[in-house]
Amino acid sequence: DSGVTQTPKHLITATGQRVTLRCSPRSGDLSVYWYQQSLDQGLQFLIQYYNGEERAKGNILERFSAQQFPDLHSELNLSSLELGDSALYFCASSVVGQGLNYGYTFGSGTRLTVV
Amino acid sequence: AQTVTQSQPEMSVQEAETVTLSCTYDTSESDYYLFWYKQPPSRQMILVIRQEAYKQQNATENRFSVNFQKAAKSFSLKISDSQLGDAAMYFCAYRSAEGDDKIIFGKGTRLHILP
Repeated sequence: DSGVTQTPKHLITATGQRVTLRCSPRSGDLSVYWYQQSLDQGLQFLIQYYNGEERAKGNILERFSAQQFPDLHSELNLSSLELGDSALYFCASSVVGQGLNYGYTFGSGTRLTVV
Repeated sequence: AQTVTQSQPEMSVQEAETVTLSCTYDTSESDYYLFWYKQPPSRQMILVIRQEAYKQQNATENRFSVNFQKAAKSFSLKISDSQLGDAAMYFCAYRSAEGDDKIIFGKGTRLHILP
């Protein structure tokens, strides 16, 4: 158990629907990152939140949005789903600060299948 | 923008042999961190090894070591005494120490271990 919890582990939904992926970061980590990994592809950065505020944005579609709540858990909302949104969605958390050389701690991912 | 390139989509190595995975990156920054992550069939992302750019000494973790060439912007991973459990996708990754702290991943190298 990495300490980063993602739910649900698997999700199957139809095109046009909306889903919410949830992430609880490791205790003490203020920063949460969301990544998308399509089949046999690398990880694409979507968005980062730090202590409730958006800190960095990647190539996140307008149909996607995220937020981080006061208890530091984060949710990634995906709407108007398309077949191409099928992917593994990872959440990661880390300590943030100058001089820190830690990589992220990843959750086990949510496998989204759009049919 | 920073980029990470892994030029070997797939590699194979005989069990107990040594294999080297290549990675190059592009950045104009002088302070950053480099990582190798392993993704086994379980899809969990596991940090294998990390390197601080300001350190000349190459990082080592048991059977895993890196060859960090800062001037050449090269960061290869050497796996000694390969084991069946090393079979996985390996991602090279970059994290700035100067700007935002998202991690940028390469597209990965799939490593097969031959018994």
